[in-house]
Amino acid sequence: QVQLVQSGAEVKKPGSSVKVSCKGSAIINRNAIAWVRQAPGRGLEWMGGSIPLFGSVNYAQKFKDRLTITADESTGTAYMELRSLTPGDTAVYYCARNLDTSMPYFDYWGQGTLVIVSS
Amino acid sequence: QSVLTQPPSASGTPGQRVTISCSGSSSNIGSKSVFWYQQVPGTAPTLLMYNNDQRPSGVPDRFSGSKSGTSASLAISGLRSEDEADYYCTAWDDSLSGVVFGGGTKLTVL
Repeated sequence: QVQLVQSGAEVKKPGSSVKVSCKGSAIINRNAIAWVRQAPGRGLEWMGGSIPLFGSVNYAQKFKDRLTITADESTGTAYMELRSLTPGDTAVYYCARNLDTSMPYFDYWGQGTLVIVSS
Repeated sequence: QSVLTQPPSASGTPGQRVTISCSGSSSNIGSKSVFWYQQVPGTAPTLLMYNNDQRPSGVPDRFSGSKSGTSASLAISGLRSEDEADYYCTAWDDSLSGVVFGGGTKLTVL
């Protein structure tokens, strides 16, 4: 059974950073992982994703300057770090396995991590 | 403002057929495969349709997808109460070099 397990909820101050983990062992090491967020009562928003074939990451233009997506193969864990947080970053953040990095082919998802940004 | 346009809501009675539309442009739907996700509130999205009209294993054949030009549609026949959820269309966008989503359609089973 494929499983992606994300870290727990976080409360952050404006201007700080958050790092969300997504553990999936073999999945993380062999597959591309995408990150998608959902603000309260809003729709889905793609943030970016890893491209293992080229050892690179593709970021949505909106997040390019403050988002870092990484993976630790030794622990089978992917990470999403978002910096310079504002209340507008309050959302549930999801990781998902991406079967094809040229399309939004997300077949398995983590359970989501709620990040609240508030002073 | 989402790049892909969906109606915010749709509804139907049990047994009915409902269709959800998704409109885009030549840089996304017009040249790329469309995917659909179902999300029950409070849970993670699940893959409902891939490559325009392909159902993943486990998705009932009551669900069907289609694409024509720069628009796509998701049809649900024999509507059931458990189909009540939010539905999102999505595709790659060549102009943005990234994934774009529709705003989502909330389906209510009356």
